[in-house]
Amino acid sequence: DQQVKQNSPSLSVQEGRISILNCDYTNSMFDYFLWYKKYPAEGPTFLISISSIKDKNEDGRFTVFLNKSAKHLSLHIVPSQPGDSAVYFCAASHGGATNKLIFGTGTLLAVQP
Amino acid sequence: NAGVTQTPKFQVLKTGQSMTLQCAQDMNHEYMSWYRQDPGMGLRLIHYSVGAGITDQGEVPNGYNVSRSTTEDFPLRLLSAAPSQTSVYFCASRVAGSYNSPLHFGNGTRLTVT
Repeated sequence: DQQVKQNSPSLSVQEGRISILNCDYTNSMFDYFLWYKKYPAEGPTFLISISSIKDKNEDGRFTVFLNKSAKHLSLHIVPSQPGDSAVYFCAASHGGATNKLIFGTGTLLAVQP
Repeated sequence: NAGVTQTPKFQVLKTGQSMTLQCAQDMNHEYMSWYRQDPGMGLRLIHYSVGAGITDQGEVPNGYNVSRSTTEDFPLRLLSAAPSQTSVYFCASRVAGSYNSPLHFGNGTRLTVT
């Protein structure tokens, strides 16, 4: 049972345009969401996060939007750069001592020069 | 600062062999975890630990054992390797109990079981 889903395995955008990556979740207990970026042969690295008490968090070119009623979050990258080409994972957790992080299946973003 | 170090980077096993994937972190993180990455499946949690002497199962624990004798180290043991365990394995750590502390990942171990 996939609690965190990324339905688009891949996305291709032109340099300078907006990239929008989507993520859906099923567990209403999730209250903290993160995005990770992964280059080949490297481990994932943290990109941006959002708490369920917010609906938007921005960090430079990266903005994450959360729609709790739809159980949906998205990552916007503006403007997209070739160096942004990577696999993007969304992840979710709910509070508690263990605070386990559950990941989605990932979306491969290709930014064309 | 080394962060999270995983060894080996690559490993080939025959079915039935055993091995230990090593993971060490130098950030004094209480929480450590193991994930496997498979095509179309994303990152799935195998086991995790919130401190020395404490371990628990994640989403896909079968076939794997862990122990946590020190804060720094969190080895993952395959007792009898199976082809279904062919995967890329990532170790990750973070500050325990800190709600918004992100995971720090190692660079992975690529395991092939023939």
